[in-house]
Amino acid sequence: AQSVTQPDIHITVSEGASLELRCNYSYGATPYLFWYVQSPGQGLQLLLKYFSGDTLVQGIKGFEAEFKRSQSSFNLRKPSVHWSDAAEYFCAVVSTGGGNKLTFGTGTQLKVEL
Amino acid sequence: KAGVTQTPRYLIKTRGQQVTLSCSPISGHRSVSWYQQTPGQGLQFLFEYFSETQRNKGNFPGRFSGRQFSNSRSEMNVSTLELGDSALYLCASSETGRTDTQYFGPGTRLTVL
Repeated sequence: AQSVTQPDIHITVSEGASLELRCNYSYGATPYLFWYVQSPGQGLQLLLKYFSGDTLVQGIKGFEAEFKRSQSSFNLRKPSVHWSDAAEYFCAVVSTGGGNKLTFGTGTQLKVEL
Repeated sequence: KAGVTQTPRYLIKTRGQQVTLSCSPISGHRSVSWYQQTPGQGLQFLFEYFSETQRNKGNFPGRFSGRQFSNSRSEMNVSTLELGDSALYLCASSETGRTDTQYFGPGTRLTVL
């Protein structure tokens, strides 16, 4: 069965520093991968997605992610973090078997120090 | 376009009661999925409806059920509530298939006492 692993539960960075959030997936075929962000008390907002093609994907709010098949990874990056980026970030993959079921990682809580 | 809306936003129930949550998808979207989010289990898929038919189902007991109406609005029902059902229930809509982005609503926070 497909799965997603986010090894870092909590990450703290200083405002203006670069950020990389890790995501590893287990999937038999070409995966459809997503990064979502959740602010406290809110739903999930899509940051970016990868279906095929260019392995470097640009998203909203200055985020990007790189798909690396050889490492089964889809890490999220941002060159300069803003205090408003503090939130929880989820990596997800669409499962096999048809339909639109998302399997999520456990999330990474990002704290930004001013 | 208006986003995904969920009602109510907050709900308090007692054990043994039942509850119905509602989700209105983005206009034109025909797929609605439901997820449960808890601190211990994270985000878990409940079920997906497409054109009034359940297309996918997660590993939840039969107390959890749902339906979709002809206008794509969806409801989920939880019967015989247990303390462990306390969670944020998220609804997501998408146009049709598995390559479509799912757009999430703000969720319904259910507390079971």
